[in-house]
Amino acid sequence: GAGVSQSPSNKVTEKGKDVELRCDPISGHTALYWYRQRLGQGLEFLIYFQGNSAPDKSGLPSDRFSAERTGESVSTLTIQRTQQEDSAVYLCASSFYSGNEQFFGPGTRLTVL
Amino acid sequence: AQKVTQAQTEISVVEKEDVTLDCVYETRDTTYYLFWYKQPPSGELVFLIRRNSFDEQNEISGRYSWNFQKSTSSFNFTITASQVVDSAVYFCALSEDGSARQLTFGSGTQLTVLP
Repeated sequence: GAGVSQSPSNKVTEKGKDVELRCDPISGHTALYWYRQRLGQGLEFLIYFQGNSAPDKSGLPSDRFSAERTGESVSTLTIQRTQQEDSAVYLCASSFYSGNEQFFGPGTRLTVL
Repeated sequence: AQKVTQAQTEISVVEKEDVTLDCVYETRDTTYYLFWYKQPPSGELVFLIRRNSFDEQNEISGRYSWNFQKSTSSFNFTITASQVVDSAVYFCALSEDGSARQLTFGSGTQLTVLP
């Protein structure tokens, strides 16, 4: 595809439910990143993958958050037992290699009721 | 710890005016990268520029220019002859350790260009 794609674009869920957010990086990009953007704020780094390895998970806010990546393609961010404070836009980015310019997807807007 | 400060929360200008968005950063590393991203109302972040800490040359790209000053830890962004389409949130970001992996973003500046 031409750019990074994310699905769903919007997700409304009830507190306590699990959600899965998907990211398809630009073809050929080996590095993939997840960020969270709360309303009116900047982006918080969550995790990045180089290939399917995640050397840096330091940004994951709690053990309810996990992410995986299949090869050098799709990644899934899973939030278990969602809380209202998880409500945010979750942005995915990819780059040719870690350290290169990051290209962002349109984000998934998560609302936890 | 690294930190990026964008003190201007919101700026409004009239079309054709020049506008400068400020960015001040903190880092202990000597090797780091600085970035600017644009986030239009559609929400998708658009990469504008990346500079490494060893390159203090100012850069100009069309109506955009960047002023990097290590002495004041600033990386300011100027839009000349602003246009309505420039209306967006602009984020400055920093990556330490020279890897440009984990980006630390400022809180953003909402720029509104009025016709």
